[in-house]
Amino acid sequence: GQQLNQSPQSMFIQEGEDVSMNCTSSSIFNTWLWYKQDPGEGPVLLIALYKAGELTSNGRLTAQFGITRKDSFLNISASIPSDVGIYFCAGPYSLFLTQGGSEKLVFGKGTKLTVNP
Amino acid sequence: EAGVAQSPRYKIIEKRQSVAFWCNPISGHATLYWYQQILGQGPKLLIQFQNNGVVDDSQLPKDRFSAERLKGVDSTLKIQPAKLEDSAVYLCASSSLTGARTGELFFGEGSRLTVL
Repeated sequence: GQQLNQSPQSMFIQEGEDVSMNCTSSSIFNTWLWYKQDPGEGPVLLIALYKAGELTSNGRLTAQFGITRKDSFLNISASIPSDVGIYFCAGPYSLFLTQGGSEKLVFGKGTKLTVNP
Repeated sequence: EAGVAQSPRYKIIEKRQSVAFWCNPISGHATLYWYQQILGQGPKLLIQFQNNGVVDDSQLPKDRFSAERLKGVDSTLKIQPAKLEDSAVYLCASSSLTGARTGELFFGEGSRLTVL
């Protein structure tokens, strides 16, 4: 099946530092999404990107849709303790060939972020 | 607006026993998903419904897993018989038809299954 590769797997940073993580794929995606999962909770959508080269911000979060459409980056500025969690990239994988146009959302393995106060 | 509701939150069973999980999506959401999340992994789609029809169940182990969405609202996911490797968090998510195309899903808190 389709794989999304995330790096790094984990990060340990001090409060106030900036964070950068990325996601790559061997296939082209037309949409890139970044979700965050807090411990014991389900993932929550942070940012959605729909156009190659697009740069989108949501507060201290900034994400970019790579120009090749095979990668995406997420940056967090001035990290705070509540940024702790697992960050997943995701993209809709087309079932066009088998399911007549439906798409299913595939997730990377996640980047686990720890912020030390 | 109420979110996606799931129950039970936790379940411990022995291998070869059966278990069922329940999900109530956000009101009005046509699309419902069941994902399996093994520790240290990202969520993996098991089955996707649109209304009460199955859109994709290609990764559902059909010899032991079954799911239904009667009347296009609530859904249940059943495992019978359970294996040790089924230990995971089972996440239910829902989306509008637009959200299904754009990938904007709303997840429940999940049901954590431990198989001993």
